[in-house]
Amino acid sequence: EAQVTQNPRYLITVTGKKLTVTCSQNMNHEYMSWYRQDPGLGLRQIYYSMNVEVTDKGDVPEGYKVSRKEKRNFPLILESPSPNQTSLYFCASSPSAKGAKNIQYFGAGTRLSVL
Amino acid sequence: AQSVTQLDSHVSVSEGTPVLLRCNYSSSYSPSLFWYVQHPNKGLQLLLKYTSAATLVKGINGFEAEFKKSETSFHLTKPSAHMSDAAEYFCVGGRGSTLGRLYFGRGTQLTVWP
Repeated sequence: EAQVTQNPRYLITVTGKKLTVTCSQNMNHEYMSWYRQDPGLGLRQIYYSMNVEVTDKGDVPEGYKVSRKEKRNFPLILESPSPNQTSLYFCASSPSAKGAKNIQYFGAGTRLSVL
Repeated sequence: AQSVTQLDSHVSVSEGTPVLLRCNYSSSYSPSLFWYVQHPNKGLQLLLKYTSAATLVKGINGFEAEFKKSETSFHLTKPSAHMSDAAEYFCVGGRGSTLGRLYFGRGTQLTVWP
């Protein structure tokens, strides 16, 4: 089954403790992206990747890191989480960044609480 | 600078009546535009996308949207609302036909009354 898988789905952590949220897609998609969703603010893009080893900042990259060492995985790293990073996070992927196939498929989300 | 504005944070309609969810965009370039829907506790699902091939775009579940360059709008409509349409809807914009940096509207919560 074609899907975008995020892990964990729920995470409670403490300030300053490094964490990684994994995102994996089994569709050989080129484009991947991370978003955070906060009430009243909609979704905001954190980072995106046009292909392997190609990443770029979105709207709100501060406090986050990403890597794209292989096509299927796009982990989101919080080196020193803070309470203002408490949010619902979505990973998405698209077959291509260009043209008719630039349709994103979203994971189920990761709800993160930083105490 | 690019941005997407959803003009209503909440819209309520009765079942069987038309739905209108409004979205304006600002872009220095010909935009790519999408509507996504999010049902409670779910990820987002694509409803439709604008390509330069047609200004009236038909999507899934009877939704459609019209790209109006003169009004910089991409409003989402449906002739007859169904209870299952109750969800949050997001208008999304990007630059040209290439994904990259994407801009989401803040969302419109659609309530459908029986």
